[in-house]
Amino acid sequence: DTAVSQTPKYLVTQMGNDKSIKCEQNLGHDTMYWYKQDSKKFLKIMFSYNNKELIINETVPNRFSPKSPDKAHLNLHINSLELGDSAVYFCASSPGQGFNQPQHFGDGTRLSIL
Amino acid sequence: AQSVTQPDIHITVSEGASLELRCNYSYGATPYLFWYVQSPGQGLQLLLKYFSGDTLVQGIKGFEAEFKRSQSSFNLRKPSVHWSDAAEYFCAVGLYSSASKIIFGSGTRLSIRP
Repeated sequence: DTAVSQTPKYLVTQMGNDKSIKCEQNLGHDTMYWYKQDSKKFLKIMFSYNNKELIINETVPNRFSPKSPDKAHLNLHINSLELGDSAVYFCASSPGQGFNQPQHFGDGTRLSIL
Repeated sequence: AQSVTQPDIHITVSEGASLELRCNYSYGATPYLFWYVQSPGQGLQLLLKYFSGDTLVQGIKGFEAEFKRSQSSFNLRKPSVHWSDAAEYFCAVGLYSSASKIIFGSGTRLSIRP
């Protein structure tokens, strides 16, 4: 059983479109994250939610809006997609906040903007 | 500003040889340090972590890392690599604030020579 699952795995779309990436974890974790990995493999946190409450919001454009309907889901909606949004987006979860809580990552969603 | 540096972009070692991947950090307080591994097409997996105590940390898959405060380093080692160790390796530092977050290095790609 997949612990952290993201859909879709690949997403190819045109500039200006709106798209969503879904993330679900079946580990019973309270904290979930979205990371962006660019073409140079640089990985940076975007958002973190703890029990549906936003706790980290890095300097991410307003076009990115996370939604957590329950603590097992953290979806990422992106409006007006731009070329620079092309990247691999990773969802992760951990039992709680804090560094002694190991983060479990999904396999990523590769977003390509044409 | 806090940062993590992995000076080697790509390393190739022969199967059975020893491995050392370098990581240097810049952080004012006592750091929380991690090593993650990313296999192709997959998310990151935690190899090991250092919070305090013994400066030599054992991880999964036969990896270990040593924290050296005087050198601001946290190098990853393995005595004998296997072909399955070929992957991208990320060093990371945890920033403790009101919301704990992790900053990743740029990664080191490890290739294994048969």
